[in-house]
Formats: sequence, C-alpha cells, structure tokens
Amino acid sequence: AQSVTQLGSHVSVSEGALVLLRCNYSSSVPPYLFWYVQYPNQGLQLLLKYTTGATLVKGINGFEAEFKKSETSFHLTKPSAHMSDAAEYFCAVSDRGNNRLAFGKGNQVVVIP
Amino acid sequence: DGGITQSPKYLFRKEGQNVTLSCEQNLNHDAMYWYRQDPGQGLRLIYYSQIVNDFQKGDIAEGYSVSREKKESFPLTVTSAQKNPTAFYLCASRRLAGGGSSYNEQFFGPGTRLTVL
Repeated sequence: AQSVTQLGSHVSVSEGALVLLRCNYSSSVPPYLFWYVQYPNQGLQLLLKYTTGATLVKGINGFEAEFKKSETSFHLTKPSAHMSDAAEYFCAVSDRGNNRLAFGKGNQVVVIP
Repeated sequence: DGGITQSPKYLFRKEGQNVTLSCEQNLNHDAMYWYRQDPGQGLRLIYYSQIVNDFQKGDIAEGYSVSREKKESFPLTVTSAQKNPTAFYLCASRRLAGGGSSYNEQFFGPGTRLTVL
C-alpha cells in the first residue's frame, strides 16, 4: 500500500518568505501525485497534480511542485508567502490504475506578519 | 454549478444513536468516497463506491455503513458501534473514465462536523 510522509505538522513562515512543504511517498512505480489545501471547516481544494509529462507542475495561487523520481518526492513551494496562504496542506498519492488516494498527515501553515 | 453537497454542516449525536450523513453530487461522477479527518491524522478512507449498488471497505470501516442506490448519492451511517465518532467527515467523488484535465482528481464536499455528546 502507498504511504505518504509529510514532516512537521506545523510550519511557520514569515510573510514574503519562501514556503516549502515536503512530501515523500513510497512506491515502486511513479504514482499520481496531488497537493490539496484546506481552509478551516471547509473541504479540500486541489492546488496542483502530477500525472505525466513535465515534472515541474504549476498550480493555483502561485504554488508549484516538482516530481523527483530518484528521491520519491513531490515538494510544494511558493516563492513569497501571503497571509491568505494560512491553511492546512495535504499531499496525496495514488497508484496508476488504483482509484484510491493515500494522504499524508498534513502541514498546518501559519503566516507571520 | 456542478458540485458536491454535504448535509448537515454540523451534527450532534447522543451516545448510542445511529446518525446518517448525506452526500450528493451532480458532477455525473462514477466513484464516491467517504473520509474521516481527525486533527493531525490526515484523511482516512472509510468506504468507497465505484458503481451503483456496489461499495468497498476502506481502512477504517468498522462502525460505519453506506449505500449506493443512486449514482448521485452516497449516504454514510455512523452506527452506535463506532467507539469514537466525533470527527470531521468529508465526501469526495471522481470520474473513472473519459480523460481530460480533471481525470484522476477527487473533488471534495464542504464536510460535516459530527460531535457526540
């Protein structure tokens, strides 16, 4: 079964600083990879995904992520944090041909003015 | 607009009672999913269904039941056998065929917060 590791349950970043959230997965073949964002008491919204093709993926709200097969990683970045980026972020993976998602435990991002 | 609706948004239950959470989608998606979210635990899969009248257990199905009588609807019943039901419950759906930019993506509803008194 797939597993996803997100280190650091709470991440503090200064407004205007780089946002970096790490995601590592376990899989013998390249899976489908996703980052979702969740605002308080709401559902999840897709930020970006990797399925095939270019390994650097751009998403909404200025976020991007890079798939690195050799490192089994899919880290999420944003060059300059904004107060509106305060939310919880989840990395998720699914095997090709599998209709289930496995989620990491999430990163709660706090943006410091 | 197409989307997923969950009701109610907040639900309170007394110990020993069964309660049913509603999930409806008008996206014409084939598959539907129920997740449970607890602080610091991420999302854990309870049940999922890929076709009407069929469903499969996820990782934490004990104490829960579902039905899929219509493609649009996938209600979740939290039974009295669920020992710690207080949590945030999320429903999701996705297409299983057809390609396109949203293929492989699960779309989420707004969630139901269940509290056992």
